[in-house]
Amino acid sequence: EAAVTQSPRSKVAVTGGKVTLSCHQTNNHDYMYWYRQDTGHGLRLIHYSYVADSTEKGDIPDGYKASRPSQENFSLILELASLSQTAVYFCASSGTGGEAEQFFGPGTRLTVL
Amino acid sequence: SQWGEENLQALSIQEGEDVTMNCSYKTYTTVVHWYRQDSGRGPALIILIRSNEREKRSGRLRATLDTSSQSSSLSITAAQCEDTAVYFCATAQGGRALIFGTGTTVSVSP
Repeated sequence: EAAVTQSPRSKVAVTGGKVTLSCHQTNNHDYMYWYRQDTGHGLRLIHYSYVADSTEKGDIPDGYKASRPSQENFSLILELASLSQTAVYFCASSGTGGEAEQFFGPGTRLTVL
Repeated sequence: SQWGEENLQALSIQEGEDVTMNCSYKTYTTVVHWYRQDSGRGPALIILIRSNEREKRSGRLRATLDTSSQSSSLSITAAQCEDTAVYFCATAQGGRALIFGTGTTVSVSP
């Protein structure tokens, strides 16, 4: 049974539109993360959270907002989607930060036209 | 960037061969993770090696860590077609999160 789920699995958005990607975990983990994956860039950290109602900026936060309304749920929000935000987005959770193993969701393929 | 250049971005081998991929990193870490990503799926941890370990084995996988040269390697012995995947190394970033390398694509043909 999948412990980290993402929705939608794929989405086509228009430039300038608002996009919300959702993540749900049943691992009872405190930490949750959002990454984007582009060819040749591996995984880059956008935002993360270690407690509900609090989020932290990652390495590439510009153009993205995050929301952690509960321990289980973590959303990534693109207020004004741009072509450069076309990518695959992964959510992950871990019991602690830093060294801990991260458990990834299946990813969301976002295409901005 | 936490990472230096990865030695190889892509490797193509035949079944039964051994393969090794390398990562170098710039800042101190207490642990190196190796993740595997199958096509269309999220990455999954396959082996983790800590700074007090020089070598770690798991089945046909072998990871090494050289803290003096700040490099790590992952070897697969007798590769099989199902080993075809992208392999990432990752280091801990000061207790905050992992930093992932750009990945090595391994293709194993029959």
